[in-house]
Amino acid sequence: DAGVIQSPRHEVTEMGQEVTLRCKPISGHNSLFWYRQTMMRGLELLIYFNNNVPIDDSGMPEDRFSAKMPNASFSTLKIQPSEPRDSAVYFCASSLLHGDTEAFFGQGTRLTVV
Amino acid sequence: AQKVTQAQTEISVVEKEDVTLDCVYETRDTTYYLFWYKQPPSGELVFLIRRNSFDEQNEISGRYSWNFQKSTSSFNFTITASQVVDSAVYFCALSDGDYKLSFGAGTTVTVRA
Repeated sequence: DAGVIQSPRHEVTEMGQEVTLRCKPISGHNSLFWYRQTMMRGLELLIYFNNNVPIDDSGMPEDRFSAKMPNASFSTLKIQPSEPRDSAVYFCASSLLHGDTEAFFGQGTRLTVV
Repeated sequence: AQKVTQAQTEISVVEKEDVTLDCVYETRDTTYYLFWYKQPPSGELVFLIRRNSFDEQNEISGRYSWNFQKSTSSFNFTITASQVVDSAVYFCALSDGDYKLSFGAGTTVTVRA
C-alpha cells in the first residue's frame, strides 16, 4: 500500500482565499484524522471520522474550517477564508480501527497564508 | 486538560549513548492505548510502538525498549546505543475512551557524532 496520501505537499495562498487540502487514507482503514501542527500549539486534532462519519469536530478552530469524507477513500479539509494564523503543517492520518490501533500519517501539507 | 506530558523539551547525546524519553499520561479509562511516534527532520510522523493498558510487559525491539508502569502512569521509551539517524522529535500519544489520539509536546533528540 502507498500509505496515506496527501495533496498538495505545499500550498502558498493569499489571505482571504479558499484552501482545500486532500487526503486519501490507507485502503481498508475505518478511521481518519486531521491534525494541525504548529510550533506554538504542537499537534492538535482537528476532526475525526469513523466509517466516513464525523465523530468529533471539537478541535476545528472556527467556522472557517470544514471537513468532509464523501467516501472511504477520500477526505478534504477546507479553509475559507484563509488567514495568516492558519499557516501550519496539516496532517491526515488513518487507522484500521478507532483508538486501539496505530494511526499512519501522511507526509503533511505545509500551508502558508500570506 | 493535558493528557500526555513530556517534560523533556530537548535531549542532546553523543553517539552510542543511551537515551530515555519520559512520558506521563492522564486518563480515567481502564482501557487505553499508548504510542510513540518519531518525526525526523524530513517532517513525516512515523509510528514506532504501541502498548495497551492491559499489558505492562516491557519489551525490547532492536535498539528500542519501553517501560510501561500503570502505577505511575508512565510510558518511557529508550533508544540504546543511539545513532545520528535517531535525531528527531519523539512524541508520546494516548488513545482512550474518546478514541482521539492525543499527543504530548514532543522531545527533540539530537545525537552528535
